[in-house]
Parts: sequence; C-alpha cells; structure tokens
Amino acid sequence: DADVTQTPRNRITKTGKRIMLECSQTKGHDRMYWYRQDPGLGLRLIYYSFDVKDINKGEISDGYSVSRQAQAKFSLSLESAIPNQTALYFCATSDFGQSYGYTFGSGTRLTVV
Amino acid sequence: GQQVMQIPQYQHVQEGEDFTTYCNSSTTLSNIQWYKQRPGGHPVFLIQLVKSGEVKKQKRLTFQFGEAKKNSSLHITATQTTDVGTYFCAAPRGFQKLVFGTGTRLLVSP
Repeated sequence: DADVTQTPRNRITKTGKRIMLECSQTKGHDRMYWYRQDPGLGLRLIYYSFDVKDINKGEISDGYSVSRQAQAKFSLSLESAIPNQTALYFCATSDFGQSYGYTFGSGTRLTVV
Repeated sequence: GQQVMQIPQYQHVQEGEDFTTYCNSSTTLSNIQWYKQRPGGHPVFLIQLVKSGEVKKQKRLTFQFGEAKKNSSLHITATQTTDVGTYFCAAPRGFQKLVFGTGTRLLVSP
C-alpha cells in the first residue's frame, strides 16, 4: 500500500457542486499539506496542518476548505466548484525536520465542467 | 513574498547529452530541496542541501548549493531516457512550508 493515498484519482464534476478530496497516510507524520499543480505554475500551497488541531491557509486558499479528521487524514473540500479549479491536486506529508523531504500522494485530477 | 525562480522551463536533449536546471532566490535560503516528477506521476524527493557551497552526488546527478545560499543547480551527466520528467526545486517559506519552483521539464530523445 502507498504511504500517502489520495481518493479519488480522477473526478469530473459540475460547476457549483461540492466535492471532497481525501488523503490518508501511514507515514506517521504530523504535518500534512494540500498543493495544486497547474501547467507552468508549479505546485502552489492551498492549506497545511501541523497537527490535528492546527489548520493554516496557504497562498491560494480562497474557494477551498480543509478538515484534519485525524493525524492520518486530511481532506480538501471545494464548496462550490468552478472551472478554474480544474487542476491536479496533491496531498503531501512531512516529518518535523523534513530531512527526507515531502512524501506526495499520487494526486487527484479534478475537472470542473 | 519569497519566490523561487527556476530555469529553463523546458529542455529537450539527445540521450547522452548533459542537462542542467537552475534555481534562484532573491533571499537567502536555509536549505533547498529537489524533486523529480515523472510524466503522469507525483513529485518524489531527491535530496536536500543545507550548507553553503554544498555539493552532493547521486550517480549521474550532481546537486549544488551556492555560496550565498541563494541559488542551486541540478546537473545530469549523460542523460538517459529514464531521466525524463519535471525537476522542481523547493525552499522553505516561514516555518516548515515549502515554496516550489515552476519546474524544468526534461525530454530525452533516444
């Protein structure tokens, strides 16, 4: 099994619909992150959490919300999806020192039509 | 805010040629990380550089951190088709959050 699992892998949804992307990890890391990847723009941070009671906005949090249900679970919600939220979404985890970098999930490709 | 600029955006080489991607910051970095993302895949951590002037090697890959800790490079010697992908540098912004460069996409023709 993968260390960081994202579901679904692919999703097509309609404008205005609420959608949740889920992430779970078996790394035992406290720190979890949601990134969005668009062609030519690299990876941009949406939200991050350093422990279960800690939630922080990243650089592009508008239109998104998150929930840290447990140490191992961090979900990303789009309350009312819009077409410019079409992107590849990655969940990542890290330990405190990041000596071994971030561990990424396989990603969720979201299309909003 | 802190930005990490990465060049080139794209490079197409013949197998056996060398390849270099550069990462530049306007501010001094505490460390820099490098990741590789294969086509259709997810970013995978390659290495972290911490010390000024540090050079690390992984087989055909050589990573350097500048003396001023504002720039870094990844050099691949004698590229192979397995090197295809996008290479990202990433640096901390604030406490324990990474800012990623825009990436360099490498295409290797056999």
